[in-house]
Amino acid sequence: QSVLTQPPSVSGAPGQRVTISCTGSSSNIGAGYDVHWYQQLPGAAPKLLIYGNTNRPSGVPDRFSGSKSGTSASLAITGLQAEDEADYYCQSYDSSLSGYVFGTGTKVTVL
Amino acid sequence: EVQLVESGGGLVQPGGSLRLSCAASGFPFSSYEMNWVRQAPGKGLEWVSYISTSGSTIYYADSVKGRFTISRDNAKNSLYLQMNSLRAEDTAVYYCARKDSGNWFDPWGQGTLVTVSS
Repeated sequence: QSVLTQPPSVSGAPGQRVTISCTGSSSNIGAGYDVHWYQQLPGAAPKLLIYGNTNRPSGVPDRFSGSKSGTSASLAITGLQAEDEADYYCQSYDSSLSGYVFGTGTKVTVL
Repeated sequence: EVQLVESGGGLVQPGGSLRLSCAASGFPFSSYEMNWVRQAPGKGLEWVSYISTSGSTIYYADSVKGRFTISRDNAKNSLYLQMNSLRAEDTAVYYCARKDSGNWFDPWGQGTLVTVSS
């Protein structure tokens, strides 16, 4: 079972800004563990999108940005494009589970 | 090019066993911690297991503890997952993923499908 909660879906028109929240607890995000984000295109493996709360790997457009505060984190996509239509997952570490945890996942639809 | 390629998936009956492999290339495999992550059909990602560079430290998700065994062969640049006492709920695509310097996973393999059904 996922211990990080995300909205099931978000949508926006091309060019708009959308945000995805990731809510955790005092044993994961609230304990200071970093949050990372992955993009999973249909039929593909997950791909690292944001690491260490705010950092973009080489090749990831700067339309994608991450933030973290308290027991939550957020992923923002500005200038939404059709190719951004995918599932997005947050991920952190949980000290009470002694393991890694993923968010419930959010499907982004470009209208 | 950094690459991870999983193999060994297939159809197995409940209670059966299967061994997954992950072949690594393009990076010094022995220097990286590794993980298995799975995704049931139409569902989200679930972390399964972690192994340190030497194999001396291992962790499992509660859902697989006592049934799955992670291992690695640094001489062969390979990661393994021995899965025993398989259940229908173990049906999923299994990905191997390299753990980078922080607690993130990059890259991921393409995945191998395990189906547990009679």
